[in-house]
Amino acid sequence: DTEVTQTPKHLVMGMTNKKSLKCEQHMGHRAMYWYKQKAKKPPELMFVYSYEKLSINESVPSRFSPECPNSSLLNLHLHALQPEDSALYLCASSQSAGATGELFFGEGSRLTVL
Amino acid sequence: GQNIDQPTEMTATEGAIVQINCTYQTSGFNGLFWYQQHAGEAPTFLSYNVLDGLEEKGRFSSFLSRSKGYSYLLLKELQMKDSASYLCAVSPTDSWGKLQFGAGTQVVVTP
Repeated sequence: DTEVTQTPKHLVMGMTNKKSLKCEQHMGHRAMYWYKQKAKKPPELMFVYSYEKLSINESVPSRFSPECPNSSLLNLHLHALQPEDSALYLCASSQSAGATGELFFGEGSRLTVL
Repeated sequence: GQNIDQPTEMTATEGAIVQINCTYQTSGFNGLFWYQQHAGEAPTFLSYNVLDGLEEKGRFSSFLSRSKGYSYLLLKELQMKDSASYLCAVSPTDSWGKLQFGAGTQVVVTP
Protein backbone atom coordinates (compact mmCIF):
# COMPACT_ATOMS: atom_id res chain seq x y z
CA ASP A 1 0.00 0.00 0.00
CA THR A 2 1.75 3.12 -1.22
CA GLU A 3 -1.10 5.54 -0.80
CA VAL A 4 -1.75 8.66 1.15
CA THR A 5 -5.49 9.16 1.45
CA GLN A 6 -7.05 12.55 2.03
CA THR A 7 -10.64 13.43 2.84
CA PRO A 8 -12.66 15.30 1.84
CA LYS A 9 -11.56 15.87 -1.75
CA HIS A 10 -13.53 19.11 -1.91
CA LEU A 11 -14.68 21.38 0.89
CA VAL A 12 -16.61 24.65 0.80
CA MET A 13 -16.87 26.55 4.05
CA GLY A 14 -17.88 29.94 5.34
CA MET A 15 -15.57 32.16 7.33
CA THR A 16 -17.26 31.26 10.61
CA ASN A 17 -17.28 27.50 10.09
CA LYS A 18 -15.10 24.91 11.78
CA LYS A 19 -14.02 21.99 9.62
CA SER A 20 -11.23 19.43 9.48
CA LEU A 21 -9.12 17.88 6.75
CA LYS A 22 -7.98 14.31 7.28
CA CYS A 23 -5.00 12.35 6.01
CA GLU A 24 -4.09 8.72 6.44
CA GLN A 25 -1.13 6.56 5.40
CA HIS A 26 -0.34 2.91 6.11
CA MET A 27 3.22 2.77 4.80
CA GLY A 28 4.78 2.91 8.25
CA HIS A 29 6.11 6.38 7.53
CA ARG A 30 7.12 8.38 10.57
CA ALA A 31 6.99 11.85 9.05
CA MET A 32 3.85 13.57 7.80
CA TYR A 33 3.42 16.97 6.23
CA TRP A 34 0.81 19.55 5.33
CA TYR A 35 1.41 21.69 2.26
CA LYS A 36 -0.71 24.47 0.78
CA GLN A 37 -0.75 25.02 -2.96
CA LYS A 38 -2.31 27.92 -4.84
CA ALA A 39 -3.01 27.68 -8.56
CA LYS A 40 0.11 27.66 -10.74
CA LYS A 41 2.36 27.90 -7.67
CA PRO A 42 4.57 25.27 -6.02
CA PRO A 43 3.51 23.58 -2.78
CA GLU A 44 4.33 25.61 0.33
CA LEU A 45 5.20 23.76 3.50
CA MET A 46 2.92 24.43 6.47
CA PHE A 47 3.69 21.77 9.10
CA VAL A 48 5.92 18.75 9.62
CA TYR A 49 5.25 16.01 12.14
CA SER A 50 8.03 13.61 13.00
CA TYR A 51 7.24 10.61 15.18
CA GLU A 52 3.88 12.20 15.97
CA LYS A 53 5.46 15.39 17.31
CA LEU A 54 5.21 18.75 15.59
CA SER A 55 8.73 19.56 14.40
CA ILE A 56 8.15 22.40 11.96
CA ASN A 57 5.52 25.13 11.88
CA GLU A 58 6.21 27.54 9.04
CA SER A 59 4.67 30.52 10.84
CA VAL A 60 1.21 29.37 9.88
CA PRO A 61 -1.71 31.45 11.29
CA SER A 62 -3.42 29.90 14.29
CA ARG A 63 -6.66 29.49 12.35
CA PHE A 64 -4.92 26.36 11.01
CA SER A 65 -4.38 23.80 13.75
CA PRO A 66 -2.65 20.48 12.98
CA GLU A 67 -3.07 17.31 14.96
CA CYS A 68 -1.37 13.93 14.71
CA PRO A 69 -3.43 11.42 16.74
CA ASN A 70 -1.18 8.50 15.81
CA SER A 71 1.56 7.59 13.35
CA SER A 72 -0.94 6.91 10.53
CA LEU A 73 -3.22 9.91 10.85
CA LEU A 74 -2.81 13.62 10.37
CA ASN A 75 -5.57 16.19 10.70
CA LEU A 76 -5.76 19.87 9.89
CA HIS A 77 -8.42 21.73 11.85
CA LEU A 78 -9.76 24.88 10.21
CA HIS A 79 -11.49 27.74 11.97
CA ALA A 80 -12.33 31.31 11.02
CA LEU A 81 -10.61 31.04 7.65
CA GLN A 82 -10.32 33.84 5.13
CA PRO A 83 -11.16 33.70 1.41
CA GLU A 84 -7.44 33.91 0.62
CA ASP A 85 -7.01 30.55 2.38
CA SER A 86 -8.78 28.90 -0.54
CA ALA A 87 -6.25 26.49 -2.03
CA LEU A 88 -5.36 22.85 -2.54
CA TYR A 89 -4.15 21.35 0.75
CA LEU A 90 -1.77 18.48 0.26
CA CYS A 91 -0.81 15.90 2.83
CA ALA A 92 2.42 13.99 2.34
CA SER A 93 4.42 11.38 4.19
CA SER A 94 7.98 10.09 4.12
CA GLN A 95 9.89 7.37 5.92
CA SER A 96 11.45 9.95 8.18
CA ALA A 97 11.79 13.71 8.28
CA GLY A 98 15.52 13.54 7.77
CA ALA A 99 17.50 15.29 5.12
CA THR A 100 16.47 12.98 2.34
CA GLY A 101 13.41 11.00 1.60
CA GLU A 102 10.84 10.79 -1.09
CA LEU A 103 7.57 12.49 -0.26
CA PHE A 104 4.42 10.57 -1.07
CA PHE A 105 1.58 13.01 -1.65
CA GLY A 106 -2.13 12.50 -1.22
CA GLU A 107 -4.50 13.75 -3.92
CA GLY A 108 -5.27 16.84 -1.90
CA SER A 109 -8.31 18.55 -0.45
CA ARG A 110 -9.51 21.49 -2.49
CA LEU A 111 -10.77 24.12 -0.08
CA THR A 112 -12.97 27.07 -0.98
CA VAL A 113 -13.65 29.69 1.68
CA LEU A 114 -16.64 31.92 0.96
CA GLY B 1 18.50 31.98 1.53
CA GLN B 2 17.10 29.46 -0.92
CA ASN B 3 16.69 30.05 -4.63
CA ILE B 4 15.51 27.49 -7.16
CA ASP B 5 15.00 28.52 -10.78
CA GLN B 6 13.39 26.67 -13.64
CA PRO B 7 11.70 27.89 -16.84
CA THR B 8 8.03 28.72 -16.63
CA GLU B 9 6.84 26.88 -19.71
CA MET B 10 8.13 24.66 -22.52
CA THR B 11 6.32 23.35 -25.58
CA ALA B 12 7.31 20.30 -27.61
CA THR B 13 5.70 17.93 -30.07
CA GLU B 14 4.73 14.34 -29.47
CA GLY B 15 7.67 11.98 -29.88
CA ALA B 16 10.24 14.70 -29.29
CA ILE B 17 12.68 15.22 -26.41
CA VAL B 18 12.47 18.04 -23.88
CA GLN B 19 15.06 19.06 -21.30
CA ILE B 20 13.95 21.02 -18.24
CA ASN B 21 16.76 22.82 -16.46
CA CYS B 22 16.87 23.67 -12.78
CA THR B 23 19.47 25.77 -11.01
CA TYR B 24 19.61 26.11 -7.29
CA GLN B 25 21.35 28.03 -4.54
CA THR B 26 20.51 26.54 -1.17
CA SER B 27 22.05 26.37 2.29
CA GLY B 28 23.67 22.98 1.92
CA PHE B 29 22.50 20.15 -0.23
CA ASN B 30 21.07 16.74 0.55
CA GLY B 31 19.55 15.78 -2.73
CA LEU B 32 17.39 17.00 -5.58
CA PHE B 33 13.99 15.65 -6.52
CA TRP B 34 11.83 15.95 -9.61
CA TYR B 35 8.07 15.67 -9.32
CA GLN B 36 5.37 15.62 -11.98
CA GLN B 37 2.06 17.30 -11.28
CA HIS B 38 -0.97 17.19 -13.56
CA ALA B 39 -3.46 20.02 -13.19
CA GLY B 40 -5.60 19.60 -10.09
CA GLU B 41 -3.73 16.50 -8.95
CA ALA B 42 -1.04 15.74 -6.38
CA PRO B 43 2.66 15.76 -7.28
CA THR B 44 4.11 12.34 -8.06
CA PHE B 45 7.76 11.42 -7.56
CA LEU B 46 9.89 11.04 -10.69
CA SER B 47 13.52 10.98 -9.63
CA TYR B 48 16.09 11.66 -6.93
CA ASN B 49 19.74 12.67 -7.39
CA VAL B 50 22.23 13.13 -4.59
CA LEU B 51 25.48 12.33 -6.44
CA ASP B 52 26.72 13.88 -9.67
CA GLY B 53 25.69 12.15 -12.85
CA LEU B 54 22.77 10.81 -14.76
CA GLU B 55 19.95 8.66 -13.39
CA GLU B 56 17.83 6.96 -16.02
CA LYS B 57 14.34 5.63 -15.51
CA GLY B 58 12.65 4.57 -18.71
CA ARG B 59 11.73 7.64 -20.76
CA PHE B 60 12.80 9.98 -17.96
CA SER B 61 16.38 10.82 -16.98
CA SER B 62 17.69 13.27 -14.42
CA PHE B 63 21.15 14.78 -14.23
CA LEU B 64 22.92 16.55 -11.37
CA SER B 65 26.05 18.68 -11.08
CA ARG B 66 26.52 19.72 -7.48
CA SER B 67 29.47 22.00 -8.22
CA LYS B 68 27.33 23.97 -10.67
CA GLY B 69 24.13 23.85 -8.64
CA TYR B 70 22.42 22.47 -11.72
CA SER B 71 20.08 19.67 -12.65
CA TYR B 72 18.01 18.76 -15.64
CA LEU B 73 15.11 16.43 -16.29
CA LEU B 74 15.08 14.85 -19.74
CA LEU B 75 11.81 13.56 -21.14
CA LYS B 76 12.18 11.37 -24.22
CA GLU B 77 9.58 10.10 -26.72
CA LEU B 78 7.10 12.64 -25.45
CA GLN B 79 3.49 11.54 -25.10
CA MET B 80 0.41 13.71 -24.73
CA LYS B 81 0.01 12.48 -21.16
CA ASP B 82 3.38 14.08 -20.32
CA SER B 83 1.70 17.50 -20.46
CA ALA B 84 2.05 18.56 -16.84
CA SER B 85 3.99 20.77 -14.48
CA TYR B 86 7.44 19.49 -13.50
CA LEU B 87 8.70 20.59 -10.10
CA CYS B 88 12.34 20.68 -9.10
CA ALA B 89 12.82 20.39 -5.32
CA VAL B 90 15.96 20.54 -3.20
CA SER B 91 16.57 19.15 0.26
CA PRO B 92 18.82 21.69 2.03
CA THR B 93 20.95 20.73 5.03
CA ASP B 94 19.92 23.61 7.24
CA SER B 95 16.22 22.84 7.00
CA TRP B 96 15.74 19.37 8.34
CA GLY B 97 12.46 17.95 7.10
CA LYS B 98 11.90 20.59 4.43
CA LEU B 99 11.89 20.38 0.67
CA GLN B 100 12.33 23.64 -1.22
CA PHE B 101 10.28 23.59 -4.40
CA GLY B 102 10.91 25.55 -7.57
CA ALA B 103 7.94 27.26 -9.21
CA GLY B 104 7.51 24.44 -11.71
CA THR B 105 7.84 24.17 -15.47
CA GLN B 106 4.63 23.68 -17.43
CA VAL B 107 5.33 21.30 -20.33
CA VAL B 108 2.83 21.39 -23.17
CA VAL B 109 2.96 18.50 -25.61
CA THR B 110 1.36 19.17 -28.99
CA PRO B 111 0.28 16.60 -31.59
